[in-house]
Amino acid sequence: DIVMTQSPDSLAVSLGERATINCKSSQSVLYSSNNKNYLAWFQQKPGQPPKLLIYWASTRESGVPDRFSGSGSGTDFTLTISSLQAEDVAIYFCQQYYNTPLTFGQGTKVEIK
Amino acid sequence: QAQLVQSGAEVKKPGASVKVSCIPSGYTFTNYIISWVRQAPGQGLEWLGWINIYSGNTKYAQKFQGRVTMTTDTSTNTAYMELKSLRSDDTAVYYCARGNRIMVRGATVSGHLDLWGQGTLITVSS
Repeated sequence: DIVMTQSPDSLAVSLGERATINCKSSQSVLYSSNNKNYLAWFQQKPGQPPKLLIYWASTRESGVPDRFSGSGSGTDFTLTISSLQAEDVAIYFCQQYYNTPLTFGQGTKVEIK
Repeated sequence: QAQLVQSGAEVKKPGASVKVSCIPSGYTFTNYIISWVRQAPGQGLEWLGWINIYSGNTKYAQKFQGRVTMTTDTSTNTAYMELKSLRSDDTAVYYCARGNRIMVRGATVSGHLDLWGQGTLITVSS
């Protein structure tokens, strides 16, 4: 199984400041035939299902604000919130869909400082 | 607007079975793969498996092999997940989620999970 490890487990950021979440996979999720990274990022608020933010490691889902961006390749990935807003308080998960079982990171809780 | 609507919360005794339904609307059911993901209280996300709605093929996480069955009824546009021999640690919110069908290494697999049901709380308690 591909193990996904996020860091940090939690972070507190001031409104308007940058938040950065890292995700590392135990093996590469880059498919060489199409040069795509099979990596997604989700946001989850209390009592709600996860919401897709980013797929193919860096493609923003329709309707997601452009302050959210994804980067990285192979085994190391980053989700950046360029200017944290109050509504961004949530838990963020990375997930690989390169192999089954699909696996998720343990989550990173983002709060306002 | 596409959505997935799941059946309501259930309370089950240890050893019992539960069957959760997931009803899509607003998109062509057979064009996608439905995954089932669970989340224990205060915990992370765990994938149970998926079903390719078009072919009926399934793929289960090894942890749940023999205990989980995923089916579809294309006449009623419904996907089902049945989990048997329930234990207290199966207490969780169970989600269905849609992924598009993509080819990887010659096999049809699920792409990113772009649409999720609202979740179904299954409580296992004596």
